[in-house]
Amino acid sequence: QVQLQESGPGLVKPSETLSLTCTVSGGSISSNYWSWIRQPPGKGLEWIGYIYYSGSTSQNPSLKSRVTMSIDKSKNQFSLKLTSVTAADTAIYYCAGHFRLNWFDSWGQGTLVTVSS
Amino acid sequence: EIVMTQSPATLSVSPGERATLSCRASQSVSSNLAWYQQKPGQAPRLLIYGASTRATGIPARFSGSGSGTDFTLTISSLQSEDFAIYYCQQYNNWPPWTFGQGTKVEIK
Repeated sequence: QVQLQESGPGLVKPSETLSLTCTVSGGSISSNYWSWIRQPPGKGLEWIGYIYYSGSTSQNPSLKSRVTMSIDKSKNQFSLKLTSVTAADTAIYYCAGHFRLNWFDSWGQGTLVTVSS
Repeated sequence: EIVMTQSPATLSVSPGERATLSCRASQSVSSNLAWYQQKPGQAPRLLIYGASTRATGIPARFSGSGSGTDFTLTISSLQSEDFAIYYCQQYNNWPPWTFGQGTKVEIK
């Protein structure tokens, strides 16, 4: 099973852009779908969007206008950008891998991003 | 968007007892439902997919059932390591894939 590791700033100012990267190891990035999922502290899970190795993407309609995802096959990494953040975007952000458009097989450990001035 | 509703929010169970968790979808999701377990400070772990198929390495005490709008996760004899939060997720209609709000299984 692949391993995933999120990285990026733990603190982002309101109205700025949240940027995270997920590094995939133990397998090729060119064989799965790759999603971002977030969890506000003490709350449930929200799917943000996925990117396929081809570069095609799909986003949660509730976040679509603010989400951009990209993939770097040479580095086995994929990335998330979320613009115009507010305190409501404070959450643990997970990257996850899935073979098909269904359940999430593998997860990163998650990274807490706090939006605060 | 399909709304997933889990009940109860918290379930108090003694070790060795049976736990039954429910998940209801706002419209039919066929058998396109997964269950995850999340322990404090950890990422969710896939338990069940296809409503009733255990993921690799998941003990037989975990079982899933249901189809359409009503689903159940049963833990036949709770072990200490099973006390956690459990989430259901539908993947029948997307975007977006949606999760329930979770059921916390705590020690009675």
